Amino acid sequence: KQEVTQIPAALSVPEGENLVLNCSFTDSAIYNLQWFRQDPGKGLTSLLLIQSSQREQTSGRLNASLDKSSGRSTLYIAASQPGDSATYLCAVGAGGTSYGKLTFGQGTILTVHP
Amino acid sequence: KAGVTQTPRYLIKTRGQQVTLSCSPISGHRSVSWYQQTPGQGLQFLFEYFSETQRNKGNFPGRFSGRQFSNSRSEMNVSTLELGDSALYLCASSLSSGGGYGYTFGSGTRLTVV
Repeated sequence: KQEVTQIPAALSVPEGENLVLNCSFTDSAIYNLQWFRQDPGKGLTSLLLIQSSQREQTSGRLNASLDKSSGRSTLYIAASQPGDSATYLCAVGAGGTSYGKLTFGQGTILTVHP
Repeated sequence: KAGVTQTPRYLIKTRGQQVTLSCSPISGHRSVSWYQQTPGQGLQFLFEYFSETQRNKGNFPGRFSGRQFSNSRSEMNVSTLELGDSALYLCASSLSSGGGYGYTFGSGTRLTVV
């Protein structure tokens, strides 16, 4: 059974800092990994999708890497801003009994203070 | 283009009642998945539909059911509501079954059972 863990559970940083959020998964037989952000009481906004054959994806100040063999992904946020404050979730897509299902971590609550 | 639309946004129901939630996927997307989000359990997969067929389902009791129509719109039904069913219900759409192209989520339906 796939399990996804995100570290740290919460992070508070001053504006302008570069930061790294970590995600680990137990079964390396994945299709892809997707990073989302969620604002309080809202739905999920997709940030980056990394296919299993890729090593990293970039979008603006965000960079996500994937190391399938070690079961890890990191989300790097450069020059953080107060608007980046949200919960960040990583989710793994796989086949077999997990076909069509995303397995989510518990999330990292990020607070960026001015 | 329009995103994933979920209706209604908020619902208050009484224990024992039943409820139907609706999800309209992004135009052209044929896969619709449903998730339940609670503070204690996080995001849990309910089921995925593709071409009107349920492709996978999570570990939820039979009170939770769904269906998909020929226009890819999906509905989720919960019968005999319990207090523990209070949650944010999120719908996600994808271009194809299995999520190979990643998922786009709606804003969710907040269900409160009293």
